[in-house]
Amino acid sequence: GAVVSQHPSRVICKSGTSVKIECRSLDFQATTMFWYRQFPKQSLMLMATSNEGSKATYEQGVEKDKFLINHASLTLSTLTVTSAHPEDSSFYICSARGATNEKLFFGSGTQLSVL
Amino acid sequence: AQTVTQSQPEMSVQEAETVTLSCTYDTSESNYYLFWYKQPPSRQMILVIRQEAYKQQNATENRFSVNFQKAAKSFSLKISDSQLGDTAMYFCAFGASAGAGSYQLTFGKGTKLSVIP
Repeated sequence: GAVVSQHPSRVICKSGTSVKIECRSLDFQATTMFWYRQFPKQSLMLMATSNEGSKATYEQGVEKDKFLINHASLTLSTLTVTSAHPEDSSFYICSARGATNEKLFFGSGTQLSVL
Repeated sequence: AQTVTQSQPEMSVQEAETVTLSCTYDTSESNYYLFWYKQPPSRQMILVIRQEAYKQQNATENRFSVNFQKAAKSFSLKISDSQLGDTAMYFCAFGASAGAGSYQLTFGKGTKLSVIP
């Protein structure tokens, strides 16, 4: 089946620094990618939807200047948490879908801890 | 906007027994998908089963089956012959169109299932 690779799996950073998370589709072209956030023992909350070559669409309450999403190619999307603060600590998950595939494939997630 | 409700925060079942996880949803959409995802301790999201709203027949995947009641907006998951590896968080999800033939998911809060040896 299709594989989505997400890196890093875990990152610890100091408050005020920026962190980039990568999401790659390894064997299909991901025309649409989704970024989710999951707090401990809670559900996944959609942050934004990105279509290749277009600006991402952010959900209400998600700061687009803080969570920068780039989907410049059909195999790579990145989420950059800018000027991270402790409240940004969370588990971030990407998912991707190809043009001819109705299924969504999830990355393995990134645990971000901001000190 | 869509909402997905899972009313059972935690459940347990004896190994080899059958368990049913409940899910209800609310939407004004006519075309949509419903999903059950499993999230084991590794936190990798794994698709368990999928149901297209326009299909009346309930989806089945080996030991997993759903009871889809469209009028009641109910979508329960039945796990037969429960195995220790089924221990995980289970999320019910609603898929609405996100344009370009794709769809975005709204997740319920999850049900933590423990299979007891």
